[in-house]
Amino acid sequence: AQSVAQPEDQVNVAEGNPLTVKCTYSVSGNPYLFWYVQYPNRGLQFLLKYITGDNLVKGSYGFEAEFNKSQTSFHLKKPSALVSDSALYFCAVSLTGGGNKLTFGTGTQLKVEL
Amino acid sequence: EPEVTQTPSHQVTQMGQEVILRCVPISNHLYFYWYRQILGQKVEFLVSFYNNEISEKSEIFDDQFSVERPDGSNFTLKIRSTKLEDSAMYFCASSDRGYTSSYEQYFGPGTRLTVT
Repeated sequence: AQSVAQPEDQVNVAEGNPLTVKCTYSVSGNPYLFWYVQYPNRGLQFLLKYITGDNLVKGSYGFEAEFNKSQTSFHLKKPSALVSDSALYFCAVSLTGGGNKLTFGTGTQLKVEL
Repeated sequence: EPEVTQTPSHQVTQMGQEVILRCVPISNHLYFYWYRQILGQKVEFLVSFYNNEISEKSEIFDDQFSVERPDGSNFTLKIRSTKLEDSAMYFCASSDRGYTSSYEQYFGPGTRLTVT
């Protein structure tokens, strides 16, 4: 079985400050890890992924995430938050290989304020 | 940029009626998926489809649900006899073969199904 935990329902940060959205996972074997963002009344938009290689992965809109195997974590980060980053963020895991289902966390609402 | 499209954007139906949700995946993708998101809850996997057959399904995907790829472009989800608890946002997704660096799934904008 595979699972994802996002311990924070909401994260508030001031514009210009760094942000972190936390994610931990559980999977049998090597994971593929993903972050998606959902704006109101929109679908899920792919941000970034970890498949293999460098533990720090960079994605769209200046976001990055760090894979930590020992802590089974994949936290999403951005050095300087923008008001437009305010959205719902989902962490997801799948087993290695193409075509496998994604298991999502419960989501974290990010609110960036002026 | 290619994208997954879904129709309709909103479907209202009465309990017990059949509904068909339609999706057009990205054209060179070979894996197709349906997920659903009940209001305020997380996104849940329903079914994956590859090479014209179901490759995996969740416990949610019971006999009331079916999927089909009737032609080279469309991918449909049918709910035979809708229940109130089927009310949710249904997302279609697709991904490529996985032999390249791409494993991510691309999602459509969703169909909001309301069962009354």
